[in-house]
Amino acid sequence: SQQGEEDPQALSIQEGENATMNCSYKTSINNLQWYRQNSGRGLVHLILIRSNEREKHSGRLRVTLDTSKKSSSLLITASRAADTASYFCAPIIQGAQKLVFGQGTRLTINP
Amino acid sequence: DAGVIQSPRHEVTEMGQEVTLRCKPISGHNSLFWYRQTMMRGLELLIYFNNNVPIDDSGMPEDRFSAKMPNASFSTLKIQPSEPRDSAVYFCASSLTGEGNSPLHFGNGTRLTVT
Repeated sequence: SQQGEEDPQALSIQEGENATMNCSYKTSINNLQWYRQNSGRGLVHLILIRSNEREKHSGRLRVTLDTSKKSSSLLITASRAADTASYFCAPIIQGAQKLVFGQGTRLTINP
Repeated sequence: DAGVIQSPRHEVTEMGQEVTLRCKPISGHNSLFWYRQTMMRGLELLIYFNNNVPIDDSGMPEDRFSAKMPNASFSTLKIQPSEPRDSAVYFCASSLTGEGNSPLHFGNGTRLTVT
């Protein structure tokens, strides 16, 4: 299966804390993408990490990729209430054109 | 850039009626995807197009579902006849290329309720 599996399914933390979400997959990939979905809205692309990269940063986001373990993690530092959303990973296999999503991690930031 | 535009935002219909969902992708994007999201099944890919041509429709649940892309700026997803189990949020997304290294841009979806 192409889709990634996010873990945990739900995460609740206090504002200001760091949030870490994980993604595991089963096949060799070309790249892996992370998306955020706010309630009632479409998914928004956050970051893309290629298979030859180990870490990538974007603002308060840090994504790591371990191809030997077929896993990725998304770290949000200094969380804010506005970070409350569901987060999805999408591993992209070689030659694939379509993105398949798992169930996501539902993140709640408590004020 | 207006982003991906979907209409209607909400649709309530009775079982047996025809439903047509519409999508305008971002100008210049060559690929278009239709997804369906429910609590039970999550986000499912229904069909996607490259350069207006359907590439993979293996996710279309039944013959009651059909999708068209008559030109680069418009796509429709039709359900005929609709059933209560079709109730879901339907998303359209577009990307610059059909390759997996091109991020998807999603619309805000159409919430379909079939009674």
